[in-house]
Formats: sequence, structure tokens, C-alpha cells
Amino acid sequence: EPEVTQTPSHQVTQMGQEVILRCVPISNHLYFYWYRQILGQKVEFLVSFYNNEISEKSEIFDDQFSVERPDGSNFTLKIRSTKLEDSAMYFCASSRRLSDTQYFGPGTRLTVL
Amino acid sequence: AQKVTQAQTEISVVEKEDVTLDCVYETRDTTYYLFWYKQPPSGELVFLIRRNSFDEQNEISGRYSWNFQKSTSSFNFTITASQVVDSAVYFCALRRSGNTPLVFGKGTRLSVIA
Repeated sequence: EPEVTQTPSHQVTQMGQEVILRCVPISNHLYFYWYRQILGQKVEFLVSFYNNEISEKSEIFDDQFSVERPDGSNFTLKIRSTKLEDSAMYFCASSRRLSDTQYFGPGTRLTVL
Repeated sequence: AQKVTQAQTEISVVEKEDVTLDCVYETRDTTYYLFWYKQPPSGELVFLIRRNSFDEQNEISGRYSWNFQKSTSSFNFTITASQVVDSAVYFCALRRSGNTPLVFGKGTRLSVIA
């Protein structure tokens, strides 16, 4: 059964450094999402992406964040200058059609020191 | 605005007991979708079920069942004869139609004790 994959599973970085989190959505899916979950809290939406552009973004997704689909398979989230409060689990999700179920990857745990 | 409330923060049951996880939602949309996801200790989010607002039929899948009631804006999840492997955080989520994000509740941590 196809799955969303994410790399790395855990990333440790120093405050102020740039990080890129990678996702490979399910191959025939067209809609892509990033969510994050601060430890012990609920899952929050960051951004949605379709047809090579951002469809919607939350207040969390400020100028420090960017997303890209550099090729036909990868979907990346970049944080330009990490802050301590960016420490969280970041989930990628994808869906095939509009309003379809979103399937989540296993997450990347980002720790900012 | 949309909102999902899971009033139960933590529930602890003994194995083989039945347990119901509550979910109450708020939305002004007439078309929307409700979901339950499971987050085991390993951290991933596992999709369990999706319900469309126009389909109030309850569903049973093995030991899992879901009770969707539009009149009370609730979408409750029952695990029958709970097992230790059911121990996880369970999230209820809501989504409008279209290319819209999921809005999650805060989750209910279920501990099933052997």
C-alpha cells in the first residue's frame, strides 16, 4: 500500500540554522500539506500546496517558512532561520483529489537547540 | 470558524473494557467532513475513518464503531473490548469542502491497562 514518506525522522539543529524537511507524497496525489505538532499539543495546519503553488497558509507559516516541489516526487518544507519554538513534529500529508482524505507521513521530529 | 472539542484529555481503562471517545464540532458549513486519526507512541498519524456531513449512517469496523449525530454536532468513537495495542492519542478532525486544511481537536490519550 502506498505511503507518504518523510526524511529525516529526527533532525537536531542550532538556533538560526536553516533546515529542509523532505516528504515524498503518495505518487498519484495532487494536494500536499504540512502540519506541525508541538510536543503534547494538537496538530496544527501550516500550508497547503497544489499545482506548484501555495493554496492556503496559516498564521504560523510566516516568512521564515517556504515550500517547494523541486521535482515530480519530493515536497519540501524549509525553515530559513530556526527558532527554539520551531521544535516540533512536522507532518507531511497528501490527498489525491479535492476533499479526499489526507494521508500523513510518519513525521520529522525537529529539535532546535 | 471551525472548531473541534475533545473534552476528555486522558482516559484509562482496563483491557477488555469498552471505551467511548467524545468529539464535538462546530462549523457553519453544510458540507464538511469528519475524521478520526490515531497517534500511537511511535508518533505517526494513522487514518481511521472519514464521515461526510450528508451521511449520518453509523459505522462499525471490527472493534471500532463511530456514532455521527448532526443534531448534537458529535462524532463519537467507541472501542469495544479494548486491547493494550489501542493505547494511543486519538484525534478527531474536521474539514470543510474543497482544498481546505484539517482542524484537529486536542486529542484524547487512551491508556489500556493489561
